[in-house]
Amino acid sequence: GAVVSQHPSRVICKSGTSVKIECRSLDFQATTMFWYRQFPKQSLMLMATSNEGSKATYEQGVEKDKFLINHASLTLSTLTVTSAHPEDSSFYICSARSLLSYEQYFGPGTRLTVT
Amino acid sequence: AQKITQTQPGMFVQEKEAVTLDCTYDTSDPSYGLFWYKQPSSGEMIFLIYQGSYDQQNATEGRYSLNFQKARKSANLVISASQLGDSAMYFCAMRDQAGNTGKLIFGQGTTLQVKP
Repeated sequence: GAVVSQHPSRVICKSGTSVKIECRSLDFQATTMFWYRQFPKQSLMLMATSNEGSKATYEQGVEKDKFLINHASLTLSTLTVTSAHPEDSSFYICSARSLLSYEQYFGPGTRLTVT
Repeated sequence: AQKITQTQPGMFVQEKEAVTLDCTYDTSDPSYGLFWYKQPSSGEMIFLIYQGSYDQQNATEGRYSLNFQKARKSANLVISASQLGDSAMYFCAMRDQAGNTGKLIFGQGTTLQVKP
């Protein structure tokens, strides 16, 4: 089956610094990648949709200057949390939509802790 | 606007028994897709089962079946012969057909605990 990886799986950073999370589709090409945020025991909230080679589409209420998304190739999208604050601590999950089948596959998630 | 509702925050089931997790949805699109995912404590999202709006039969995948009642706009997940490893959070989701982005709209989730 299709595999999506995320790196890092866990990251701890200091308040005010930036952190980059990578999402890769390992064995398929992804036209679209999605970034979700999840707080403990809550649902997944879609943050943005990114298409290869174009600007990401952010959901209402998500600060595009704070959560920078780049989708430079059909297998890689990155989410950069800029000037992180403790309230940005969360579980971030990406998913990738296959070019061929339009199925969506999830990465294992990245747990971000901002101290 | 499309919406997914899961009204059971938590459920308990005895090992080896069946359990039904409820999901209702709202959409004005005639074409849509409904999904169920399992999220164990590790956090990974595990795809369980899919039902298309035009599918005539209820979807089944091993111990998972989807009780699709289109007129009532419900898509309940039935897990038969529960196992301890089924303890997890379960999410119902609908694919947003608008703009053909493929993005998923998730319900609030149901935490299932299987008792030995």
